[in-house]
Amino acid sequence: AQTVTQSQPEMSVQEAETVTLSCTYDTSESDYYLFWYKQPPSRQMILVIRQEAYKQQNATENRFSVNFQKAAKSFSLKISDSQLGDAAMYFCAYRRLKEGKLIFGQGTTLQVKP
Amino acid sequence: DTGVSQNPRHKITKRGQNVTFRCDPISEHNRLYWYRQTLGQGPEFLTYFQNEAQLEKSRLLSDRFSAERPKGSFSTLEIQRTEQGDSAMYLCASSPRSEPYNEQFFGPGTRLTVL
Repeated sequence: AQTVTQSQPEMSVQEAETVTLSCTYDTSESDYYLFWYKQPPSRQMILVIRQEAYKQQNATENRFSVNFQKAAKSFSLKISDSQLGDAAMYFCAYRRLKEGKLIFGQGTTLQVKP
Repeated sequence: DTGVSQNPRHKITKRGQNVTFRCDPISEHNRLYWYRQTLGQGPEFLTYFQNEAQLEKSRLLSDRFSAERPKGSFSTLEIQRTEQGDSAMYLCASSPRSEPYNEQFFGPGTRLTVL
């Protein structure tokens, strides 16, 4: 069975600094998708960034980028120039190709200090 | 607002009572998912529909849980004979069928408290 592990329950970063959130996963599949979702306090979850396993190039979305290491089954999220609005719980998620369900990690709470 | 909506947003019930939640997906999305999230944890998959067909159910979905999606539009999740362990946030998400991403858009959730 596929599993997703986020080993950092909490992280903090100074405003304008850079922070990296870690995620590892376990799968025997070769093709799959990986995602980072953001869940602000009392607000709904939104997609931050996604990565297709068959692509070697790391995905980037503005201040958000990933470091995808397929052999190591690692998928970290880097947030550059952190802003107060980045404070939230971040979830790493995995989805098999042509399947519906997402498998989530336990989450990392990110605090941004002014 | 054309996002995913869920009702009610909060539900407090007594142990043993039945509860029903509703999810209205984004109109053009034919896939609909239910997840359960306990405090401080990541969402856990419960079930999902493609149109009106329920394609997958998690082992977490005991016999007390039932989900429907009549006519492939809104969906309901019913919990019978609620237990305190059912207290959680119930999240609904929808996505278009088109590959490759099937990006899931989440609703605000229904928070259930069982006393």
